[in-house]
Amino acid sequence: AQTVTQSQPEMSVQEAETVTLSCTYDTSESDYYLFWYKQPPSRQMILVIRQEAYKQQNATENRFSVNFQKAAKSFSLKISDSQLGDAAMYFCAYRILGNTNAGKSTFGDGTTLTVKP
Amino acid sequence: DAGITQSPRHKVTETGTPVTLRCHQTENHRYMYWYRQDPGHGLRLIHYSYGVKDTDKGEVSDGYSVSRSKTEDFLLTLESATSSQTSVYFCAISESETGVTNTIYFGEGSWLTVV
Repeated sequence: AQTVTQSQPEMSVQEAETVTLSCTYDTSESDYYLFWYKQPPSRQMILVIRQEAYKQQNATENRFSVNFQKAAKSFSLKISDSQLGDAAMYFCAYRILGNTNAGKSTFGDGTTLTVKP
Repeated sequence: DAGITQSPRHKVTETGTPVTLRCHQTENHRYMYWYRQDPGHGLRLIHYSYGVKDTDKGEVSDGYSVSRSKTEDFLLTLESATSSQTSVYFCAISESETGVTNTIYFGEGSWLTVV
């Protein structure tokens, strides 16, 4: 069974500082995508960043970057220059690309991020 | 924003009654999903579809059934609602493997309360 583990239920960061959210996953698949989603109180699911598993280069999107370690099955999210608007719940997820479970996705339980002014 | 519409957005129903949630997409994406979100559990996959009339179970499928008779519609049915099925339900879609992003796009959620 595929699993995604976010070991930090809650994290806090001072405004303008950097925070890293952890995610590990377990899968026997070789082709997949990894994602981080942000969910503010409105419950809207917003894509933050995505990473193709076959790419060694870590994805970046403005202040958001990932540290992807495929062998260790680790996919952490770094938020630089944290802003008050970054406060939300963050979910790590992956989606299988090929073989019999193509399309199947699994999400972690989430990390609630608080940003202190 | 991805064209995903969930209906109803809010529903209160009584224990033992059947309930159907509808997800409609305008993106012609191959994959469609139903998740539930509960405190402390994140998003858990109920069922997903990889094509018209092609569906598979997720990790919490007991008590739920789905149908997909058209590319654009994915229905989630609770045959006999129970209080444990009180939750927020999210529909999501994703492209086929030949797509550009393979990103999972979400609807706005449906709040279901079973009393």
